[in-house]
Amino acid sequence: GAGVSQSPSNKVTEKGKDVELRCDPISGHTALYWYRQSLGQGLEFLIYFQGNSAPDKSGLPSDRFSAERTGGSVSTLTIQRTQQEDSAVYLCASSPIHRGNQPQHFGDGTRLSIL
Amino acid sequence: AQTVTQSQPEMSVQEAETVTLSCTYDTSESDYYLFWYKQPPSRQMILVIRQEAYKQQNATENRFSVNFQKAAKSFSLKISDSQLGDAAMYFCAYTQRGGSNYKLTFGKGTLLTVNP
Repeated sequence: GAGVSQSPSNKVTEKGKDVELRCDPISGHTALYWYRQSLGQGLEFLIYFQGNSAPDKSGLPSDRFSAERTGGSVSTLTIQRTQQEDSAVYLCASSPIHRGNQPQHFGDGTRLSIL
Repeated sequence: AQTVTQSQPEMSVQEAETVTLSCTYDTSESDYYLFWYKQPPSRQMILVIRQEAYKQQNATENRFSVNFQKAAKSFSLKISDSQLGDAAMYFCAYTQRGGSNYKLTFGKGTLLTVNP
């Protein structure tokens, strides 16, 4: 597709369940970023990938969060044993290369609701 | 750590008029990039304008322009001839130029309403 694609668009799940969020970046973009947008915390950086490598995982809020990227393309953000505070919109972005002057192109996000 | 502050949670403007959204930031770096992103209800973040800190000239993109004051660490967005489609949440964002992590640090956002 032409833009960053995220799925599902919305996800409702029960507390304690695991969820997987998917991001399909713009074709050819080597850098991929995950952010979380919540009412209380605003927009927070979670993790970035350069190719398949994630050099900086310091933004992940707890060890229940993990992410991977395979084939330098699709990325999956996994949240285990979900908690109500995990409710948020999870945004993915990609850029052609991992540089500050490269604009990040965002997807529409996944709205995650934990019951 | 870098911080970005948007002091106006909400702003409103009449269609065809001009509005300025404020942003200040804090960093110890001398070289960096600043951005304004727009987020309509569709949730997709759209890049509005970008400024490189080492350039003194203010960036412009059609009806959008910035007033970049490096010494004051201020980066305001001016929207001229406001249109109904400009209604959205606007985020100011910062990223470094050097180093290895080019994550965006965002402000809390300003919700812009455009009145017909």
